[in-house]
Amino acid sequence: DVKVTQSSRYLVKRTGEKVFLECVQDMDHENMFWYRQDPGLGLRLIYFSYDVKMKEKGDIPEGYSVSREKKERFSLILESASTNQTSMYLCASSQTNYGYTFGSGTRLTVV
Amino acid sequence: EDQVTQSPEALRLQEGESSSLNCSYTVSGLRGLFWYRQDPGKGPEFLFTLYSAGEEKEKERLKATLTKKESFLHITAPKPEDSATYLCAVQEGQGAQKLVFGQGTRLTINP
Repeated sequence: DVKVTQSSRYLVKRTGEKVFLECVQDMDHENMFWYRQDPGLGLRLIYFSYDVKMKEKGDIPEGYSVSREKKERFSLILESASTNQTSMYLCASSQTNYGYTFGSGTRLTVV
Repeated sequence: EDQVTQSPEALRLQEGESSSLNCSYTVSGLRGLFWYRQDPGKGPEFLFTLYSAGEEKEKERLKATLTKKESFLHITAPKPEDSATYLCAVQEGQGAQKLVFGQGTRLTINP
């Protein structure tokens, strides 16, 4: 069964901490994406990547960075976590011209 | 700017009561329209992709249809296990791989 695996289901971090969210896919997909999902705002794209070492900003990149050193792994980094970054974070991957496969999500709480 | 609007925001049905969910979209060149199901606390699960007006896809009690401006997700004789949030997303043409999501319809089926 093909999968997108996010390293943590739940995380609690303190304001100002550097936070790493990891995502691994086993489908050899070129494209990987990070979204956050908030009630009333839906899914919003943070960053995406079309290839190793390539990244592009989505709609809300401020306060975030990403890393894609290997094709199967796409990491989201919160440089200095803030309470307004409390959210559900969803990673997805896709083959070009096909839809996404999502991970199970990481619910991050920043206190 | 691409826009996706889903209605209603929430829908409550009795078991066996058929209905439809709507997804209206504005996109410069539609490459694909996607439907996902999302259970609470989980990542979205792929249901259907539609590529051109007039196309229909079916899966169990669900049928998705597409026109030039909107898509419908028809639910026939629903069961309580069909309760979930249903998300619609569009992918525009010419090389773009990212999806733009609507805010979802929260469907509840009462036994």
